[in-house]
Amino acid sequence: SAVISQKPSRDICQRGTSLTIQCQVDSQVTMMFWYRQQPGQSLTLIATANQGSEATYESGFVIDKFPISRPNLTFSTLTVSNMSPEDSSIYLCSVEDRFSGIVSYNEQFFGPGTRLTVL
Amino acid sequence: SQQGEEDPQALSIQEGENATMNCSYKTSINNLQWYRQNSGRGLVHLILIRSNEREKHSGRLRVTLDTSKKSSSLLITASRAADTASYFCATDASGANSKLTFGKGITLSVRP
Repeated sequence: SAVISQKPSRDICQRGTSLTIQCQVDSQVTMMFWYRQQPGQSLTLIATANQGSEATYESGFVIDKFPISRPNLTFSTLTVSNMSPEDSSIYLCSVEDRFSGIVSYNEQFFGPGTRLTVL
Repeated sequence: SQQGEEDPQALSIQEGENATMNCSYKTSINNLQWYRQNSGRGLVHLILIRSNEREKHSGRLRVTLDTSKKSSSLLITASRAADTASYFCATDASGANSKLTFGKGITLSVRP
């Protein structure tokens, strides 16, 4: 499976500021996703990062708050804008690879996550 | 709403014992995946079972799927302290185009 890295691994930020999280994959992948995991909670899908076009956001998440870029098939960024303490979470990117030639069963692999604390 | 619901919410066992975790879901699925998360870090993909499969093995892991009951179980045999983690099931609903819906997770503690 693809090797996925995220930067930063953790950060402590002041409210009102923005943080951009990077997700890098060591091979081209079809699909990239961004999830949020609030403290003690499960994962919630924020959006699907589409290469060369606007991301597809889930209900409750908007582009102004979580702008996403995906300039190519190996890289994506998620920005958490105008942060508040409620944004303190682990943010994870995941990938699904349909280039393997095997029919995709939506098998997703996750990066190590970015732990964000907003003061 | 949560598609997958795991039970129990927490499980504590002695090293060497088997651990069984269950996941129930509500709608038809393409597949179900189990993940492990250590101490709030990234998720490690454990196993994927397709809707037309009933059982799958990977090392000490055994996963079953009963689509008639909309449930799955994850069995970890001969548990080790290193198996201490949170375990999540995630379902890929039919027609959902890659969206995964995660359960709340099970906290497994394996005592040395």
